[in-house]
Amino acid sequence: GQQVMQIPQYQHVQEGEDFTTYCNSSTTLSNIQWYKQRPGGHPVFLIQLVKSGEVKKQKRLTFQFGEAKKNSSLHITATQTTDVGTYFCAPSSGTYKYIFGTGTRLKVLA
Amino acid sequence: SQTIHQWPATLVQPVGSPLSLECTVEGTSNPNLYWYRQAAGRGLQLLFYSVGIGQISSEVPQNLSASRPQDRQFILSSKKLLLSDSGFYLCAWSVGGGFYNEQFFGPGTRLTVL
Repeated sequence: GQQVMQIPQYQHVQEGEDFTTYCNSSTTLSNIQWYKQRPGGHPVFLIQLVKSGEVKKQKRLTFQFGEAKKNSSLHITATQTTDVGTYFCAPSSGTYKYIFGTGTRLKVLA
Repeated sequence: SQTIHQWPATLVQPVGSPLSLECTVEGTSNPNLYWYRQAAGRGLQLLFYSVGIGQISSEVPQNLSASRPQDRQFILSSKKLLLSDSGFYLCAWSVGGGFYNEQFFGPGTRLTVL
């Protein structure tokens, strides 16, 4: 079955530093979604990537889908305290179900 | 606009007791519906999903079951809770009819089994 690895598991950064989380799948993906979960909250959709090599930006966030559609990354430039939370990738192999990654918990030190 | 409701928000149940968690969606028709469980500090585990009334796909064999008696209602049940059933239960919906649709999550139910 599909396995999703997300690294790192935890990341502490100083405010203003950059942050990157990586998502790797054992199978070729149809698309991948990214979500953010604030402490104590529920996941909130950030972006979806569909095309091989696709890059999308949302202000300080940059999302990338690998050429082979087996991996993806989320990069945050100049982190802020509001970026605190857990970031999940959720790949799909072309069905209605999404297998969430293990998540990367980001802490930003002011 | 669409909204998703889950209740209760928190629940403390003894081992061996039954469980019923309800999720309803408003403002959309024929949504795809999902149940996830999140253990403390962990990722989301997909438990069940449904693409239509009475259609349930189970992802993890366990003592939980799901039902969809109405188009916008999704229920998670158990006849006898285990300690390992403790966790944060999240219901989610997405627009029906396609794969490439974002999921909208409800506020969740925090279940503690003692």
